Amino acid sequence: GQQLNQSPQSMFIQEGEDVSMNCTSSSIFNTWLWYKQDPGEGPVLLIALYKAGELTSNGRLTAQFGITRKDSFLNISASIPSDVGIYFCAGRTLSSGSARQLTFGSGTQLTVLP
Amino acid sequence: DGGITQSPKYLFRKEGQNVTLSCEQNLNHDAMYWYRQDPGQGLRLIYYSQIVNDFQKGDIAEGYSVSREKKESFPLTVTSAQKNPTAFYLCASTFSSTDTQYFGPGTRLTVL
Repeated sequence: GQQLNQSPQSMFIQEGEDVSMNCTSSSIFNTWLWYKQDPGEGPVLLIALYKAGELTSNGRLTAQFGITRKDSFLNISASIPSDVGIYFCAGRTLSSGSARQLTFGSGTQLTVLP
Repeated sequence: DGGITQSPKYLFRKEGQNVTLSCEQNLNHDAMYWYRQDPGQGLRLIYYSQIVNDFQKGDIAEGYSVSREKKESFPLTVTSAQKNPTAFYLCASTFSSTDTQYFGPGTRLTVL
């Protein structure tokens, strides 16, 4: 299947700091999605991106669809303790066709220190 | 109150037994998906269904089976042929015209 490289694998930050994580691929994507997963729960959709260059915010979260269509990043500003969790990128490539299968990154584990 | 439900939350199975995981949605979504999640890895697609009475294998379908007799329901059976079934299983759904999948709370399966 397709490969999505998500980095960093884990992050330890102080409360109040900004966070940035990204996903890259050698394939072109039509859609980029960012999810957050709390321990033992299902992922929750944070932001969806549909156009190259698109920059979308959701509260303290901002995500961008890279202009090459092969990458995306997620920024979290002024982190708070409840930001702790695993953040996943996911995308749909041109080759997925009508099935609309998503490819997932391996996740970024975020820890916020008080 | 619309959403996706999965049951049970935790499931324990003895080796050699088949078990069925439930997934129900009342969002009127056309497509439903089953994923497997292992520690430190991304989600891997097991099976998906875009319409009732039709489903397709994903990347890791061996040892699993599904049915889609109703639009709202997409149960997953983990058979004894699955060599390493201990994992966290996630069900998702979406409208067939969109990419944004919504997930259930998951079922953690442990083989004893």
